[in-house]
Parts: sequence; structure tokens; C-alpha cells
Amino acid sequence: EDKVVQSPLSLVVHEGDTVTLNCSYEVTNFRSLLWYKQEKKAPTFLFMLTSSGIEKKSGRLSSILDKKELFSILNITATQTGDSAIYLCAGRVNTDKLIFGTGTRLQVFP
Amino acid sequence: GAVVSQHPSRVICKSGTSVKIECRSLDFQATTMFWYRQFPKKSLMLMATSNEGSKATYEQGVEKDKFLINHASLTLSTLTVTSAHPEDSSFYICSARDLGNRDTQYFGPGTRLTVL
Repeated sequence: EDKVVQSPLSLVVHEGDTVTLNCSYEVTNFRSLLWYKQEKKAPTFLFMLTSSGIEKKSGRLSSILDKKELFSILNITATQTGDSAIYLCAGRVNTDKLIFGTGTRLQVFP
Repeated sequence: GAVVSQHPSRVICKSGTSVKIECRSLDFQATTMFWYRQFPKKSLMLMATSNEGSKATYEQGVEKDKFLINHASLTLSTLTVTSAHPEDSSFYICSARDLGNRDTQYFGPGTRLTVL
């Protein structure tokens, strides 16, 4: 059965801290790994990772995929209160179906 | 950027009634749309894949007669929750895959359904 597992489930940090969110996957017919940020409503797209070892970066956020270890991390440096959200990773299969992990709830306090 | 809308954003209904939720891609064509449900503090669970002009593909455990999906055009898919019960109360989110960029799915803002 396809499975995506995220850790930690919850994280509480102070502004300025750096956080690392983990995502492991066991997905047949895997095509890519996606990261989303979900605040109050629907998820917003952050990154799509297809190749191993190539870091994708957007401002203070970066992510990388290890296809050998079936693992991805999302890093957020110099966290801000606006980073507080649920971060979801999803494995995309060849039918374009997304299999979501349980999410990591990040809370950033001033 | 591409926009997906959902209507209504929130609905409260009595047990036994049917509720229709619309998902529209506003500035792109989507041959495929996906319907998810999300329980409080839980992740998104795929319910079904909706393909324009053909029958939807349902995930295991999702009753197709309970959750009717229609994808009649390249910009609209509807999900009808028939004979709703309190346990159907959830957050329903659709996503649409851009015909011109198959790698990308855009999510709608979601519909919160409360069944009394």
C-alpha cells in the first residue's frame, strides 16, 4: 500500500530558528514529491522534486529529494510567524494521483 | 497564476439532504480534477479522480453512489454528496490539473460541509 509519512507531527519554535521537516515515502510508480503549505484553507504549492540531490530553493525555503532513501526534507531558515502552517508532502504517481502525508504542524512564536 | 474556485465555501444542511459542490478552473482547462476530503487535523485523502467526459475513478472505500461526480466540461467538475449524514461533515477540496502543464495541480479553497 502506498504510504507517505511525515515527521515531526508538530513543531513549536521561536522566530529566527531554522527548522527541518521530514518526509519519507513508499509509493509505487513514483513520479515526483511535492511540498505544500496549508494555512486556513486549501494547500498552496511550494516545491515539486523529481530528481535526487538537486536542491530547490525559494527565499528562506529549500527542499531536496533522495530517491535512493525515499526521503525528502523541507528546510525553513530564519522562521517568521507567517510560516506557521501545516506543511504537507505528497508523492505523485504516474496517474498524477497525489498521496499525502499526515502533515507537520509548525507554530512559530515571536 | 492559475485559479481554481469552489462553491459554496461553506454549507450547512440537514441529514438526508443532498449537497452539490462545484469546482471550476477559472483560467485554464482541466481534463482531470481530483476530489479530496480532510478531517480536522488530518491530511488530505483522495476520494476520486474526475475525468472530463468519462466516469470518475473512485478510491477504495469511497462509495460512488454516495459521492456522485460529474465532469461535464473542461472547466467544471461537481461533487454531490447524496443523502448526507453527520459523518459526511468534512472539508472537501478539489484540485485541477492544467491541460497545458500536466505536472501541476492547483487546489481550490475548499468547501466546509456540516451535516446536522
